[in-house]
Amino acid sequence: ELKVEQNPLFLSMQEGKNYTIYCNYSTTSDRLYWYRQDPGKSLESLFVLLSNGAVKQEGRLMASLDTKARLSTLHITAAVHDLSATYFCAGVSGTYKYIFGTGTRLKVLA
Amino acid sequence: SAVISQKPSRDICQRGTSLTIQCQVDSQVTMMFWYRQQPGQSLTLIATANQGSEATYESGFVIDKFPISRPNLTFSTLTVSNMSPEDSSIYLCSVGSYGATDTQYFGPGTRLTVL
Repeated sequence: ELKVEQNPLFLSMQEGKNYTIYCNYSTTSDRLYWYRQDPGKSLESLFVLLSNGAVKQEGRLMASLDTKARLSTLHITAAVHDLSATYFCAGVSGTYKYIFGTGTRLKVLA
Repeated sequence: SAVISQKPSRDICQRGTSLTIQCQVDSQVTMMFWYRQQPGQSLTLIATANQGSEATYESGFVIDKFPISRPNLTFSTLTVSNMSPEDSSIYLCSVGSYGATDTQYFGPGTRLTVL
């Protein structure tokens, strides 16, 4: 069955710095999703990546997908405190079963 | 995207009791999903709830422990039965938005603590 792994699990970074979160998955996934979760809150959809080479950007976040390497990345540019949250990637097993990664807890320090 | 509400938002329960969580959506949806998120962990799918049919449970989850109802296209309930402290988690419902992206949208969650 599809397995999804993220790294790092925890990330503490200074404001203004760049960093990348990695999401590896074990078998074919038709789509790859990125979600954000703030403490005590639900999940907010950030990106959906549908095909090899797909790149999506929103503000300081950019997500990409390499289906051959079974790898998606979430790149953070010039981090700000408001980006502090837990970020999850999720692949799809079958038609609609989401398999979530372990999550990356990001803390941006002022 | 759909607007999803859950009740209760949180509860503290005694072991051995049961709690029913409600999920209401502001539009008709075919598929609704129930997830569990244990403290500090990722999300795990419990079951898929389709209107007019029995819920489909994932490995490790059984109907006797997590009975689900789906009486119409905008509503579902999940019951956590005979609770133990290990059931302390956040329970989230989600709905699928099907089209080009097939994205799932999540409700606010129900934070359950079992003493």
